[in-house]
Amino acid sequence: GDSVTQMEGPVTLSEEAFLTINCTYTATGYPSLFWYVQYPGEGLQLLLKATKADDKGSNKGFEATYRKETTSFHLEKGSVQVSDSAVYFCALGTGANSKLTFGKGITLSVRP
Amino acid sequence: EAGVAQSPRYKIIEKRQSVAFWCNPISGHATLYWYQQILGQGPKLLIQFQNNGVVDDSQLPKDRFSAERLKGVDSTLKIQPAKLEDSAVYLCASSLAPAGNEQFFGPGTRLTVL
Repeated sequence: GDSVTQMEGPVTLSEEAFLTINCTYTATGYPSLFWYVQYPGEGLQLLLKATKADDKGSNKGFEATYRKETTSFHLEKGSVQVSDSAVYFCALGTGANSKLTFGKGITLSVRP
Repeated sequence: EAGVAQSPRYKIIEKRQSVAFWCNPISGHATLYWYQQILGQGPKLLIQFQNNGVVDDSQLPKDRFSAERLKGVDSTLKIQPAKLEDSAVYLCASSLAPAGNEQFFGPGTRLTVL
């Protein structure tokens, strides 16, 4: 079945450091890929998405490229801020009903 | 625009008791989802409604969980009787339509079963 694997966390970085969070997936067909973020005390919200191979999703300085050959959708940001501290979930959507399958999530803490 | 509303935000019950969660989706959103998020894991879809019909309930433990979406707007998720392993955050989400549309999540209900 469909599955998403995220790198183990938590991750702690200093402000302005470079961020990479790895995500790989297994799916039948051609899924859409998503990164969701959950800030402390808030609900899940969509950060970015890509719907086909080689698409790049971007938002708030974050980017991720849909790599079909490596079945990956790694999240990157060139310079993190304290306000980026949150839990990040990689997810894939498949089927006509766009059922979402989530990874376990990873906690990012950014220190000043 | 108001977001997805859920209540209660927190609930503590004893095992074998019953509990119900309520969700009000964003106005006009035809598709509604219930997810279960166990601590340290990602959300897992329990049930998906399109208007007031069930689209996918393949991962809903039907011996104890039930859900309804009367009139195609609000939804209620019920657990009866609860088990210790049901302790989790229950998330409601909605979208305009299922295919390719962003899902908007509510704040969740944190359930603790003692």
